[in-house]
Amino acid sequence: AQKITQTQPGMFVQEKEAVTLDCTYDTSDPSYGLFWYKQPSSGEMIFLIYQGSYDQQNATEGRYSLNFQKARKSANLVISASQLGDSAMYFCAMRGFIIQGAQKLVFGQGTRLTINP
Amino acid sequence: DVKVTQSSRYLVKRTGEKVFLECVQDMDHENMFWYRQDPGLGLRLIYFSYDVKMKEKGDIPEGYSVSREKKERFSLILESASTNQTSMYLCASKVPGANQPQHFGDGTRLSIL
Repeated sequence: AQKITQTQPGMFVQEKEAVTLDCTYDTSDPSYGLFWYKQPSSGEMIFLIYQGSYDQQNATEGRYSLNFQKARKSANLVISASQLGDSAMYFCAMRGFIIQGAQKLVFGQGTRLTINP
Repeated sequence: DVKVTQSSRYLVKRTGEKVFLECVQDMDHENMFWYRQDPGLGLRLIYFSYDVKMKEKGDIPEGYSVSREKKERFSLILESASTNQTSMYLCASKVPGANQPQHFGDGTRLSIL
């Protein structure tokens, strides 16, 4: 069974600083994928970035990058030059079992990030 | 842009009522999902559907059922609402493919009194 652990319930960061949100995972599958989502206070879940287990390079998407360390089973999200609008809940998720191409996502507990001006 | 629309942002119902939560997506996605979100627990999968009229149980299906009569619409049904079903409910859709992200609606905050 897959498991995602996010050990930081809350983080407070000054605007313009870089932020690292921790995510560790557990799986016995050799092929897996990791997703990060952002959930502002309005409630919608916004997809940020994806990393496949066989991807040779760490994923990047604008100010978001993923520090993927396979041996340590960690997939930390890095946000560069944080902005006030980055204040939100952040979820790490792992691709679970697949039926007919539909993959289940297993989510961590989330980290609430607050950016201070 | 993918649009996933949930019929209500807030809903208040009484214990024992039959409750319907509706979700519609406009991108012809085959796969659709229902999650519930509770503080400290993240999101947990209730049911999903990989095509019209097809459904599979997720991790916490007890007390819920689903219906998918048309590709764009996926309904979550609380057969007899109970107070422990008070939660945030999120619908998502995606195309098949391991690296394809799920696209979420804005959520329905359901209170059972």
